[in-house]
Amino acid sequence: EVQLLESGGGLVQPGGSLRLSCAASGFTFSSYAMSWVRQAPGKGLEWVSTIGYTGASTYYADSVKGRFTISRDNSKSTLYLQMNSLRAEDTAAYYCAKIIAAVTGYWGQGTLVTVSS
Amino acid sequence: QPVLTQSSSASASLGSSVKLTCTLSSGHSSNIIAWHQQQPGKAPRYLMKLEGSGSFSKGSGVPDRFSGSSSGADRYLTISNLQSEDEADYYCETWDSNTRVFGGGTKLTVL
Repeated sequence: EVQLLESGGGLVQPGGSLRLSCAASGFTFSSYAMSWVRQAPGKGLEWVSTIGYTGASTYYADSVKGRFTISRDNSKSTLYLQMNSLRAEDTAAYYCAKIIAAVTGYWGQGTLVTVSS
Repeated sequence: QPVLTQSSSASASLGSSVKLTCTLSSGHSSNIIAWHQQQPGKAPRYLMKLEGSGSFSKGSGVPDRFSGSSSGADRYLTISNLQSEDEADYYCETWDSNTRVFGGGTKLTVL
């Protein structure tokens, strides 16, 4: 059974940093591209970033480019999102997702990030 | 990059059918999309992949009541024999040039 378990969320001050992790199990992690998608309270889904299966290719939404870094450790079946220079508008639930045949084919349960002083 | 347009809300009666629409922006009418369901307080769930031809493939465990179809730039999600648990937000998604895009979502109310 595919499992994606996010962790690392919490309360952080504006300008601060946070690193999210997503522990994957139930599939060959190193064979799939992965994404982070976020959802601000009461709002819709917003794509944040995608990383290729080797980690060599990374892509970002304009809203986070230069502040967030996606990475992966295939030996640990873990996806990461390093978030720097956090802003109030980054407050959201962050979901880890598995890309299957170009589609967001599986979602984690999410971790909440709150940026507030 | 593509833009996906969805109606903000829809409603239908228990046991009836409803057809939700996702419209692709100009120049992207042939894009493949995906439909996702998000029940209140839960994470999103992948429902299906839908091509411009109308061919669709569903995720594991998605009931037969859910189906997809296409016409031009419009992509549809039809839910038949509506159940109370179908009350949820429904999002479409597409991708282009390594960018992924979600529609604004449709809130479905089951009356």
